[in-house]
Amino acid sequence: GESVGLHLPTLSVQEGDNSIINCAYSNSASDYFIWYKQESGKGPQFIIDIRSNMDKRQGQRVTVLLNKTVKHLSLQIAATQPGDSAVYFCAENLYNFNKFYFGSGTKLNVKP
Amino acid sequence: DTEVTQTPKHLVMGMTNKKSLKCEQHMGHRAMYWYKQKAKKPPELMFVYSYEKLSINESVPSRFSPECPNSSLLNLHLHALQPEDSALYLCASSHRDGEEAFFGQGTRLTVV
Repeated sequence: GESVGLHLPTLSVQEGDNSIINCAYSNSASDYFIWYKQESGKGPQFIIDIRSNMDKRQGQRVTVLLNKTVKHLSLQIAATQPGDSAVYFCAENLYNFNKFYFGSGTKLNVKP
Repeated sequence: DTEVTQTPKHLVMGMTNKKSLKCEQHMGHRAMYWYKQKAKKPPELMFVYSYEKLSINESVPSRFSPECPNSSLLNLHLHALQPEDSALYLCASSHRDGEEAFFGQGTRLTVV
């Protein structure tokens, strides 16, 4: 299940299940979004991106959905594996400002 | 070569010390970034260099001084830091600013 509190929200899933990580972004003028994966002790790693003229984009085992009406972004991971355990951040790029703001992050815990 | 290399990986410094963090990329990227990340928090943008010129300074205290000697190198000079400056310092680069950024593994800085 998912828990949200003062600390990093955590999503715990069983290996093989699908995972959905959500992100609410702040600025309706943001036009480019990226999902990053950060493993312990490492820098963020690019997973997938989407521009504001799209609603959905698919990669290998991952799908990003963008709902501009409610300023919501989601990352779907199919057949989640233990190697997917990490903290996931969404990042939004504000049009014409050329700098990325990161969301607060969700920790994904995959149980074998 | 799709790497952003940061040195050192770990650094312990006193409050009166002067030290530098280094970042290097050979992907031909013309935008480079410094981010600061505290534990269980998202990365926070500090500086953006675009075509070797400082384009964004997110109101960072002057005890942090960035430098971009050429298109492949980015330095962060540190002087008179405080213990609360202890964090993971991440360097990133992108083809142009506002595009997908590749991150290094970071320098774990401890100020004593």
